[in-house]
Amino acid sequence: ETGVTQSPTHLIKTRGQQVTLRCSSQSGHNTVSWYQQALGQGPQFIFQYYREEENGRGNFPPRFSGLQFPNYSSELNVNALELDDSALYLCASSWDLVSSAQYFGPGTRLTVL
Amino acid sequence: AQRVTQPEKLLSVFKGAPVELKCNYSYSGSPELFWYVQYSRQRLQLLLRHISRESIKGFTADLNKGETSFHLKKPFAQEEDSAMYYCALSVRDTGRRALTFGSGTRLQVQP
Repeated sequence: ETGVTQSPTHLIKTRGQQVTLRCSSQSGHNTVSWYQQALGQGPQFIFQYYREEENGRGNFPPRFSGLQFPNYSSELNVNALELDDSALYLCASSWDLVSSAQYFGPGTRLTVL
Repeated sequence: AQRVTQPEKLLSVFKGAPVELKCNYSYSGSPELFWYVQYSRQRLQLLLRHISRESIKGFTADLNKGETSFHLKKPFAQEEDSAMYYCALSVRDTGRRALTFGSGTRLQVQP
């Protein structure tokens, strides 16, 4: 077991609402990355945080935002939800920016109606 | 921009048969390649990374820079190998160490 946890497991929202997803990284891991996995696709990189600062972003609009806290927890916030935001959201942690080996959480399944 | 291609959505083999899951990538720099596996109702987990050059659960993968490939191989498939396999690439030349994933190949090992 890798120690990365995510909450909630499932979530249903309606279009236009806002959502916050949470992740608790493995202890000692200073880097957290968030990915979106649509049905039948591989995970797509949303953004990465290192020591509470954003350290890179994928091709996602600004309504996707995040936070990382000193206690190895982090959040993914999505504003103005769209139907296409329905997906599995994964967080992954790693020791630092040198190591590319990332350890994934179980994911949060978001459904937007 | 980097890209990872897994041409097969589904690979079905019989127990004891050899397995090769294909992965091709495009990136002009120096990438780091990984294979991740997701068993039924489990989280995504790291299987192999090319810099380790190790064999995990009988699987091996060799980075071929000339062919820009990182195929996953196992000489004799087992039923417990049935899972979703994702090839992923990380760019080593930037401070950001995000993974770019392929779309995955489902491996079905039949008895």
